[in-house]
Amino acid sequence: GENVEQHPSTLSVQEGDSAVIKCTYSDSASNYFPWYKQELGKRPQLIIDIRSNVGEKKDQRIAVTLNKTAKHFSLHITETQPEDSAVYFCAATQDTGRRALTFGSGTRLQVQP
Amino acid sequence: DTAVSQTPKYLVTQMGNDKSIKCEQNLGHDTMYWYKQDSKKFLKIMFSYNNKELIINETVPNRFSPKSPDKAHLNLHINSLELGDSAVYFCASSQRGGGGTEAFFGQGTRLTVV
Repeated sequence: GENVEQHPSTLSVQEGDSAVIKCTYSDSASNYFPWYKQELGKRPQLIIDIRSNVGEKKDQRIAVTLNKTAKHFSLHITETQPEDSAVYFCAATQDTGRRALTFGSGTRLQVQP
Repeated sequence: DTAVSQTPKYLVTQMGNDKSIKCEQNLGHDTMYWYKQDSKKFLKIMFSYNNKELIINETVPNRFSPKSPDKAHLNLHINSLELGDSAVYFCASSQRGGGGTEAFFGQGTRLTVV
């Protein structure tokens, strides 16, 4: 099965700085890589996703990159704001219709004002 | 309108009891899931149903039994609760079985076994 590793487990940045979270996956057949944000006491919510036929995707201050050869994908947040503080999860799965998301262990991001 | 709703939000119960958590989605999705989030925030798949068919059954104790009366509902029944079952349980749904489309999560059920 799929195994997703995520680093770092905690990340503290100053407001306005950039934050980078990295994940690796094990199953070369995985082709869908979403990122979820979970605020304290809330549900995980999708913030951005990328498919294996794309190397990079950007949505305002958030970008994700994918290196299929190395089986790495990363989340980049620029111009961080205090409301970006949350736990971020990467995930991976194969688009067969019979798989669930395998999540990384999460990164707690703290943006210091 | 809430897309994925689960009840109850909080559940405190004694060891040995049997309890159920209910989940409903109004998104018209054909796949639903139960995830367990432990105290370290790790999210792990437990079960997945596609159109009422069980398609994923991870290694969980058989005290946990999912039931899907129709594709909009997926309930979780837990027998003989143990202290280690304390966690947040999330229901989720997606249009296809986990691959390629967004999974929408319910608000979670915080289960505390005392």
